[in-house]
Amino acid sequence: KQEVTQIPAALSVPEGENLVLNCSFTDSAIYNLQWFRQDPGKGLTSLLLIQSSQREQTSGRLNASLDKSSGRSTLYIAASQPGDSATYLCAVQDTGFQKLVFGTGTRLLVSP
Amino acid sequence: KAGVTQTPRYLIKTRGQQVTLSCSPISGHRSVSWYQQTPGQGLQFLFEYFSETQRNKGNFPGRFSGRQFSNSRSEMNVSTLELGDSALYLCASNLVGADTQYFGPGTRLTVL
Repeated sequence: KQEVTQIPAALSVPEGENLVLNCSFTDSAIYNLQWFRQDPGKGLTSLLLIQSSQREQTSGRLNASLDKSSGRSTLYIAASQPGDSATYLCAVQDTGFQKLVFGTGTRLLVSP
Repeated sequence: KAGVTQTPRYLIKTRGQQVTLSCSPISGHRSVSWYQQTPGQGLQFLFEYFSETQRNKGNFPGRFSGRQFSNSRSEMNVSTLELGDSALYLCASNLVGADTQYFGPGTRLTVL
């Protein structure tokens, strides 16, 4: 059974810092991995998707890497801003169906 | 293009009642998935529908059911509500053959 873990559970940084969020999964036979952002009481916004054959994806100040063999992914946020404050979730899809297995999330607070 | 819409956004029910939630996917998307989010269990997969057929089901009791219509809109139903069913219910849609899932804002269900 696939299990996804995210470390740290919470992170507080001053504006402008670069930061790294970690995600690990137990079964390396994944189809893809997605990073999402969730604002309080809201739905999920897809940030990046990495296919199993890819090593990384970039979008603006965000960069996500994937090391399938070790069961790890990282989300790098450059020059953090207060608007980045949210919960970040990683999720793996390990079958051809659309079921996602989610981690417990990292709650990020960026202070001005 | 309009995003995934969910109705209603908020619901308050009492134990023993039943409830129906609705999800309209992004135009052209034929796959719809449902997730339950609670503080204790995080995000858990409920089921996935494609072309009016349930393709995958999570580990939830039979009180949880769903269906999909010919226009890809989906409903989920929870019968005999329990206090533990209080949660944010999220639906997601995606294109056939594409992997990024797009989430709606969710329905917040409170069971009293």
